[in-house]
Amino acid sequence: DTEVTQTPKHLVMGMTNKKSLKCEQHMGHRAMYWYKQKAKKPPELMFVYSYEKLSINESVPSRFSPECPNSSLLNLHLHALQPEDSALYLCASSQGGGELAGNEQFFGPGTRLTVL
Amino acid sequence: SQQGEEDPQALSIQEGENATMNCSYKTSINNLQWYRQNSGRGLVHLILIRSNEREKHSGRLRVTLDTSKKSSSLLITASRAADTASYFCATTRRYSDRGSTLGRLYFGRGTQLTVWP
Repeated sequence: DTEVTQTPKHLVMGMTNKKSLKCEQHMGHRAMYWYKQKAKKPPELMFVYSYEKLSINESVPSRFSPECPNSSLLNLHLHALQPEDSALYLCASSQGGGELAGNEQFFGPGTRLTVL
Repeated sequence: SQQGEEDPQALSIQEGENATMNCSYKTSINNLQWYRQNSGRGLVHLILIRSNEREKHSGRLRVTLDTSKKSSSLLITASRAADTASYFCATTRRYSDRGSTLGRLYFGRGTQLTVWP
């Protein structure tokens, strides 16, 4: 199984809502990533998890809260978002550390988020 | 910034023609990767070239890397309408975290390729 799945595919939420994005992979990858992508722009790294521990937080506002419950799952909890947070949120995974560090990342199809 | 810069930003060609996209970067890298993204979808890894490699082929793809000029190019030969997509280069830097070596990608701004039938 070489697939990264993300749910939901689309999400519309109000600024007072709380919602969560989910990401799952069963490739045994130990590094997982959240990216945010605006239209016609490259993906921007938000968070990196390595061996279920937060490794990088790219100064993301606290209204985005990541969670890695186990090595296969990655969540992104959303609360009190702003309309400018509307974007495609991509999850990715890779094999992880050592000599494999920095190798290919496998991306999910993304969640299209709209904040009203 | 370690981000790559790609050019052209947009490229429009006919089926059967070759498409060349360029990527430049500013700092030392461990490897450079190219990804493809169909409209509004996830990214798909195309090819990885290590810093000690100069050229790599995969099917209709040819990637070159010139570390002295800090630049790379992606050539797609005999293009097809199905190649229409955005193409991103991404440089990789390794870093250490709690005794582990990890890698992160720095994406270029991308080239939008349109191949007309």
